[in-house]
Amino acid sequence: DIQMTQSPSSLSASVGDRVTVTCRASQSIYNYLHWYQQRPGKAPKLLIYLASSLQSGVPSRFSGSGSGTHFTLTISSLQPEDFATYYCQQSYTSLTFGGGTRVEIK
Amino acid sequence: EVQLVQSGGGLVQPGGSLRLSCGTSGFTFKSYNMNWVRQAPGKGLEWISYISTDSTTIYYADSVKGRLTISRDNAKNSLYLQMNSLTAEDTAVYFCARDRGSYPTSYFDFWGQGTLVSVSS
Repeated sequence: DIQMTQSPSSLSASVGDRVTVTCRASQSIYNYLHWYQQRPGKAPKLLIYLASSLQSGVPSRFSGSGSGTHFTLTISSLQPEDFATYYCQQSYTSLTFGGGTRVEIK
Repeated sequence: EVQLVQSGGGLVQPGGSLRLSCGTSGFTFKSYNMNWVRQAPGKGLEWISYISTDSTTIYYADSVKGRLTISRDNAKNSLYLQMNSLTAEDTAVYFCARDRGSYPTSYFDFWGQGTLVSVSS
């Protein structure tokens, strides 16, 4: 199975900060990489699909980039509602998620 | 509005069975592949099963193969997960999720609210 490694596992940031979360795959997954946001007690929400496409209704401060084995999710200006856990997911072969990155208030 | 509403979770003894349901509305259910994803308490997400639009193609994660069975009823716009021979390791919140793609190029654009399955004596 392809292993997905997210870093950092958690981070503290302030409203207005630029935040970057990284996801690395154990082998090339081309652009079959997707990002989700999960708030406590809620279902995950799709933010970015196929590495860089913004899901309908998701604010433009979210962006994704990367290909092959290295991907990033960037929040350009952190808002109060963005404090959550973020997961990457690969769909090149089987389906696996990263371990998650918790974004906390500094 | 797309909605996925889950039911059927609860407490079950080890070795027991449970059936989860996911009722849908707001989209043409028969046109979408569907999945189940679970999340153990305090842990990350784990994909567990996929079913194609016409139920002819089904996949399972190795961790649940042979014990969990996914199914769907397109006439009732519903997805199901039959869970047998449950162990403590199956304790998790289970989510149904609509697939924007087709396995393995699957990703999930709408999710149910989640239902907790607790396996304990």
